[in-house]
Amino acid sequence: AQSVTQLDSQVPVFEEAPVELRCNYSSSVSVYLFWYVQYPNQGLQLLLKYLSGSTLVESINGFEAEFNKSQTSFHLRKPSVHISDTAEYFCAVKSSTPETSYDKVIFGPGTSLSVIP
Amino acid sequence: EADIYQTPRYLVIGTGKKITLECSQTMGHDKMYWYQQDPGMELHLIHYSYGVNSTEKGDLSSESTVSRIRTEHFPLTLESARPSHTSQYLCASRTGTTNEKLFFGSGTQLSVL
Repeated sequence: AQSVTQLDSQVPVFEEAPVELRCNYSSSVSVYLFWYVQYPNQGLQLLLKYLSGSTLVESINGFEAEFNKSQTSFHLRKPSVHISDTAEYFCAVKSSTPETSYDKVIFGPGTSLSVIP
Repeated sequence: EADIYQTPRYLVIGTGKKITLECSQTMGHDKMYWYQQDPGMELHLIHYSYGVNSTEKGDLSSESTVSRIRTEHFPLTLESARPSHTSQYLCASRTGTTNEKLFFGSGTQLSVL
């Protein structure tokens, strides 16, 4: 069975400071990895994903995440946060093996990022 | 631990059938959502509700309909299923407070043959 752990439920950080949101997963098979973001009063949207290839993936708004297979981690980072980054961030994992193609996406519990002016 | 339930977890049906995907939560949350997961694995919001008798269409156009007669119940209905409806459907809920965490159900994997 797969699971996703996000150790920090809330992360307050000052504007323009760097931030790292941690995500660890457990799985006995190969996986795809995702970060979703939910801005206040909005629905969920995909921030970035790792499917294959380069272990470092980037989003259009300055976030990046690195897939570390040995540590089973997919931490999200941004070197300088903005007030508009205040949101809930969800890490998610899905099996990538063909025989489990219908497995659901497993979401972590979420991390609430609050950017302080 | 979140108490939001979706049934069935898997459903395989033939074209033209009417189906209802159930979603219930026992947390008293006002806001509930239905997401559809496309083959590219992104989640798309198809319906949401801010409370009883309140339902709105989401970002992705969908032929499904929803109802919110009771706070805890937010079923999704397809009057006539087609193969293009094959997808995973995720239900979620949260309180009405800004920045409150979103709780997800376990999802329903729908396959229309």
